[in-house]
Amino acid sequence: EIVMTQSPVTLSVSPGERATLSCRASQSVTSNLAWYQQKPGQAPRLLIYGASTRATGIPARFSGSGSGTEFTLSISSLQSEDFAVYYCQQYNKWPLTFGGGTKVEIK
Amino acid sequence: QVQLVQSGAEVKKPAASVKISCKASGYTFTNNAIHWVRQAPGQRPEWMGWINAGSGGAKYSQKLQDRVTITRDTSASTAYMELSSLTSEDTAVYYCARTLVGTITFDYWGQGTLVTVSS
Repeated sequence: EIVMTQSPVTLSVSPGERATLSCRASQSVTSNLAWYQQKPGQAPRLLIYGASTRATGIPARFSGSGSGTEFTLSISSLQSEDFAVYYCQQYNKWPLTFGGGTKVEIK
Repeated sequence: QVQLVQSGAEVKKPAASVKISCKASGYTFTNNAIHWVRQAPGQRPEWMGWINAGSGGAKYSQKLQDRVTITRDTSASTAYMELSSLTSEDTAVYYCARTLVGTITFDYWGQGTLVTVSS
């Protein structure tokens, strides 16, 4: 199966600053990569699919890039509601697999 | 509005089975696949399997394929996931999720069902 590795595990950022999260796949997933946000006690929320397409209703401060094995999620100016755990997910091959997550916390 | 509403929390003994329901509303049930994803405490989400809500065909993760069964009832717009031979390692929150058409990503999720396996 394709192993998804996210870094860093924890990212401390001040409100208003930019956050950059990384996701690496153990083999190419082309552009079949999604990003989710999860807050405590809630289901994940789809942010990005196709590596760079924002899902419906997702603010423009969220952007995704990359292809193949290296991907990045950027949050241009962190708002209070953005502090959460972020997961990447590949859907290029079965089984679908998720990364271990990056927790974005308030600095 | 699209909603997926799951059945309530369950407490099960080891070796038992659990069946969770996921009722869909706000869209045509047969137009989107339903997947099941579980998440153990503090762990990454784990994909379990999916069902084509139209045809009823299902596919499972190799890890769970001997123990998991996903079905649907189109008349009730409801999908079901049954997991058998439970152990403590199956303690997790179980989610159903709808696929975004054209991808295998999940645009709507159920609220989650906590399954606790304990003797």
